[in-house]
Amino acid sequence: DADVTQTPRNRITKTGKRIMLECSQTKGHDRMYWYRQDPGLGLRLIYYSFDVKDINKGEISDGYSVSRQAQAKFSLSLESAIPNQTALYFCATSVSGDAGYTFGSGTRLTVV
Amino acid sequence: QKEVEQNSGPLSVPEGAIASLNCTYSDRGSQSFFWYRQYSGKSPELIMFIYSNGDKEDGRFTAQLNKASQYVSLLIRDSQPSDSATYLCAVNKAAGNKLTFGGGTRVLVKP
Repeated sequence: DADVTQTPRNRITKTGKRIMLECSQTKGHDRMYWYRQDPGLGLRLIYYSFDVKDINKGEISDGYSVSRQAQAKFSLSLESAIPNQTALYFCATSVSGDAGYTFGSGTRLTVV
Repeated sequence: QKEVEQNSGPLSVPEGAIASLNCTYSDRGSQSFFWYRQYSGKSPELIMFIYSNGDKEDGRFTAQLNKASQYVSLLIRDSQPSDSATYLCAVNKAAGNKLTFGGGTRVLVKP
């Protein structure tokens, strides 16, 4: 089983719909992150959490919300999806600020 | 100016040659630096990290850090077709404990 699991792997949704992307991990890491990746723009940080009671906005949090249900679970929601939220979304975990990330397999989201 | 900049490429390299990738960053207080490899449609995979000025070698990979000039580079020796991927540079800035990524450099190794 993967250390960091994202569901769904692919999703097509309509403009205006609410959608949730889920991330769970077996690494035992406290720190979890959500990034989106667009061609030519690299990975951009949406939200991050350093423990269950800690939620922080990243550089592009508008239109997104998150929930840290447990140490191992971190969900990303799009309250009202719009086409420019079409992207590849990655969840990542880390044990500390100086450690690298472990990424999930990604969710390819298409908003039509 | 982007916080972490990379040439998007593609960098075309003959098989067996050295691929040289560069990354510059804007935050002078940045503490730790990472190189990730990402195959098309896959998730990034950590291949190197470096914290101190100088070189760090791991197999065919060498990371080089120069904090005074604010750049970090990655050398891939004896390049193989399997090295064809996008390489992402990531920086842990002084103010936070999260990584900022460059746009990536696409590398093509031709047999």
